[in-house]
This record gives sequence, C-alpha cells and structure tokens, in this order.
Amino acid sequence: SAVISQKPSRDICQRGTSLTIQCQVDSQVTMMFWYRQQPGQSLTLIATANQGSEATYESGFVIDKFPISRPNLTFSTLTVSNMSPEDSSIYLCSVELAGRYEQYFGPGTRLTVT
Amino acid sequence: GQQVMQIPQYQHVQEGEDFTTYCNSSTTLSNIQWYKQRPGGHPVFLIQLVKSGEVKKQKRLTFQFGEAKKNSSLHITATQTTDVGTYFCAGPVGAGSYQLTFGKGTKLSVIP
Repeated sequence: SAVISQKPSRDICQRGTSLTIQCQVDSQVTMMFWYRQQPGQSLTLIATANQGSEATYESGFVIDKFPISRPNLTFSTLTVSNMSPEDSSIYLCSVELAGRYEQYFGPGTRLTVT
Repeated sequence: GQQVMQIPQYQHVQEGEDFTTYCNSSTTLSNIQWYKQRPGGHPVFLIQLVKSGEVKKQKRLTFQFGEAKKNSSLHITATQTTDVGTYFCAGPVGAGSYQLTFGKGTKLSVIP
C-alpha cells in the first residue's frame, strides 16, 4: 500500500476565490487520480494525473475550473477555481500502485464554499 | 458509458445478522474492486476479483465475481459494529483502464 497525505484537511472559502489542494505520496507512483465526493454520495472521478503529461479530465470537468499539476512522481495539486457553493464537497486523491489496478486514497479535503 | 449499479442503497441489520450487497455492470469487467468507507473516513481498498466465478474470503467477508464478469457480491457473516460503513464496488471504465467507475454504495448500519 501507500501512505497518502492531503493538505488542507478542510477549508471554508468565499465564492469567487480559488483553493489549491495538495496530495503527497510516500513512494513514487505513476498514476494519481482526483475525485469529488458529495456528502453521502459516491465518488466521481475528476481527472487522472500522470507525471510528465497533461492531466486527462472526465466528462463534465474542465481544466480551467480544475487545473492540476503533477511535477514529480510523489506529488500533485488540484486547484478549484472561481469557487461557487456548488463546489462544496470532499476532494480525494488516490494512487494506483505498480499496475495492480487497486487504488489507495488520501484522507480527503473537505471544502465548504460560502 | 459504462455503469455500475449497486443495491441496496441502505441496509440496517441487527448485530450478528448477515449482510449482502450486490453490484451489476452494464458491460463485462476485466476486474472488480471493493472498497469500504467508514463514517468520516476515506475509501479503503478491500479486494480485487479478476477471474470469472472467483470467490475470495477475508475472515467474515466473502466476495464473488459472476461467471459472466458483469456482477459481484459482498457477503458479511455475523455482522459486528466494526462493519459499519459504506461499501462500494468499482470497475474499470474500459478494458484495461486504470480509471474506475464506482457504484453508489451500500450504507450498512449495525444495531447492537
């Protein structure tokens, strides 16, 4: 498995501002993923972030709203831009280890937009 | 696109009773994975099934993958309060894909 940390763990932000969420892994991984989870709901994949290439976004998510960086094999950031109350959610990063397909999740960032 | 459906959405059981959640995919899956999310926690990987008809056990948990590789189940024998949480199944969005589509989950409550 892998140990994954996320910062911040929670934040309350005003509409119109942006928040950058950091995801740090204790080992080198090729594939990292960003998810959104509304309270009591399932996980929705936002994008896949591979080191050395542009992130690939799922339908309904765009780079201007959710820019992602992946500068190395242990770190990634997700920015939630120009936030509105509808962006209030839990944002989770996950990693896939060495071609095993299973994913390991960070603790999540609980975002509230007022 | 591929859909993964999971039932029931909620299940309340008396401690000691058994529990089963079912997962169905609209397409054949190369693998299916199960995750558990405790209240206030993050999803934790439980198991991956790959072979048609595969059955795997983890203590009181039994996981099955259907013969057609389109459905799966998780059965918990003699539930305990530590089993409380939401159980998600997830399958690859496409053949050989690392991206996952998650079911809506089954939220298990255990009454002591």
